[in-house]
Amino acid sequence: EAQVTQNPRYLITVTGKKLTVTCSQNMNHEYMSWYRQDPGLGLRQIYYSMNVEVTDKGDVPEGYKVSRKEKRNFPLILESPSPNQTSLYFCASSNLTRLNYGYTFGSGTRLTVV
Amino acid sequence: EDKVVQSPLSLVVHEGDTVTLNCSYEVTNFRSLLWYKQEKKAPTFLFMLTSSGIEKKSGRLSSILDKKELFSILNITATQTGDSAIYLCAVSVYDMRFGAGTRLTVKP
Repeated sequence: EAQVTQNPRYLITVTGKKLTVTCSQNMNHEYMSWYRQDPGLGLRQIYYSMNVEVTDKGDVPEGYKVSRKEKRNFPLILESPSPNQTSLYFCASSNLTRLNYGYTFGSGTRLTVV
Repeated sequence: EDKVVQSPLSLVVHEGDTVTLNCSYEVTNFRSLLWYKQEKKAPTFLFMLTSSGIEKKSGRLSSILDKKELFSILNITATQTGDSAIYLCAVSVYDMRFGAGTRLTVKP
């Protein structure tokens, strides 16, 4: 089944403790992206990647890192999480030629930083 | 700066009502406008619109785009409790710009 898999689904952590949210897709998509969703603000893009070893900042990149060493994986790294990073996170992917047609989304990761 | 604005932000109706959700945008390099439905998990695709004036329909849901006035509407007729969700509008420029969403609650 074609899908984007995020892990974990839920995570509670403490301020300053490094964490990684994994994202993997099995559709051979070039484009991958991370969003955070907060009430009243919709989905805001954190980072995106057009292909292996090509990443770029979105609208809200501060406090996050990403890497794209393989086509299928696009992990989101929070080196020193803070409470304002408590949010619902989505990974998404698409073929570059079909970006207009929308993305395939992962199931989301609800992160709480205390 | 690209902007996508949805209204209302929240809406409560009763089963059987008809609702209209609005999405206006100001972007450069418009490619398409998409509507998504988000229940408890990831957004799921509803419609993609690229041309003005052509209605897309799926069951009780329909949507239309006006590229001159830069907006789209999503209509839901004969609403059911299963329509309760957040409805997201997104505009594809180079990547996707999302609105804040409309939270629709349908009461029995």
